[in-house]
Amino acid sequence: GAGVSQSPSNKVTEKGKDVELRCDPISGHTALYWYRQRLGQGLEFLIYFQGNSAPDKSGLPSDRFSAERTGESVSTLTIQRTQQEDSAVYLCASSSSLGRTFGSGTRLTVV
Amino acid sequence: DQQVKQNSPSLSVQEGRISILNCDYTNSMFDYFLWYKKYPAEGPTFLISISSIKDKNEDGRFTVFLNKSAKHLSLHIVPSQPGDSAVYFCAASEGTGNQFYFGTGTSLTVIP
Repeated sequence: GAGVSQSPSNKVTEKGKDVELRCDPISGHTALYWYRQRLGQGLEFLIYFQGNSAPDKSGLPSDRFSAERTGESVSTLTIQRTQQEDSAVYLCASSSSLGRTFGSGTRLTVV
Repeated sequence: DQQVKQNSPSLSVQEGRISILNCDYTNSMFDYFLWYKKYPAEGPTFLISISSIKDKNEDGRFTVFLNKSAKHLSLHIVPSQPGDSAVYFCAASEGTGNQFYFGTGTSLTVIP
């Protein structure tokens, strides 16, 4: 596609449930990033995939968070046993040597 | 610990005037800086960048200034237009391919 696609665009879930967020990067982009933005805060780095290298998971806030990416395609971010503090907009970005492009994000609300 | 700071959460400017958005950073190893613009319900879009070998980069109405000694950068928009109303994030990294650290954003409102 022409841009980075994220789904769903909005997700409301009950506390304690698991959620899975999806990111379709731009074709050919080798790097993929997940960020989150909580209300009133900046973009917070979560995880970085580069080709077939081991991902940089240094930004994941707890072991309830995990992400996968198969090759240079779709990535999924999974949050287990969601908590209210997980409510945020989760943004995915992919990049090539020409720059980084963000998706529109998934707004997650944990009630 | 916030390594990139935008201390003004909001800014209002009259159409046609200059908008100046400021950003400070703490990590002296940062050598690549970007500004992103974000409209509601959309992802951030790249606006302009600057590497530490330069102190100014200009693209149309947008100019980014970098003061390495002060660890400060600013984005100037001249003249400001109502369509510029958005949240502006600055970001910094060591090199162009590594993790970026984002500021908390400044919401710019350009008043017609």
